Amino acid sequence: GENVEQHPSTLSVQEGDSAVIKCTYSDSASNYFPWYKQELGKRPQLIIDIRSNVGEKKDQRIAVTLNKTAKHFSLHITETQPEDSAVYFCAATFNFGNEKLTFGTGTRLTIIP
Amino acid sequence: EAQVTQNPRYLITVTGKKLTVTCSQNMNHEYMSWYRQDPGLGLRQIYYSMNVEVTDKGDVPEGYKVSRKEKRNFPLILESPSPNQTSLYFCASRSTVGQPQHFGDGTRLSIL
Repeated sequence: GENVEQHPSTLSVQEGDSAVIKCTYSDSASNYFPWYKQELGKRPQLIIDIRSNVGEKKDQRIAVTLNKTAKHFSLHITETQPEDSAVYFCAATFNFGNEKLTFGTGTRLTIIP
Repeated sequence: EAQVTQNPRYLITVTGKKLTVTCSQNMNHEYMSWYRQDPGLGLRQIYYSMNVEVTDKGDVPEGYKVSRKEKRNFPLILESPSPNQTSLYFCASRSTVGQPQHFGDGTRLSIL
């Protein structure tokens, strides 16, 4: 089955700086990679996703890059703000014919004002 | 309002006493899943369903049962709960392949 590793487990950055979270996956058949943000005491919410036919996707201050050869993908947050403080999860799945989704173990991001 | 509703939100119970956590979505989604969230382990999928009467195991199905008799409902059943099932549980649904998952607010279960 799929295995997703996520690093780092905790990350502190100064407000305004950039944050990068990295994930690797094991199953080369995986073709859909979402990222979720979970604020304290709340549900996970999708912030960005990428499919295997795309190398990079950007949405305002958030971007995701995918390297299929190396089987890793990364979340980039630029110009960080205090409201970016949360736990971030990556996930991977083969997005056809099943609903199996494997998550990374999460990164607790703290933005220092 | 589009939502996934879980009940109860909190439950403290004892070992061996059967319990059911309900999950209902009002978006006519075909796909539904149950996850458990534990510190340091992230979200792990317990069971998922791709349509009515179609369910399959996720990564950690032991000790759990599910059913999908109607499209909107996907209950999680613990026949004989044990302390290692103490966790935060999330139900999620999505409409089809390639669409994002919508999560419920979570159910915090404590098994004593």
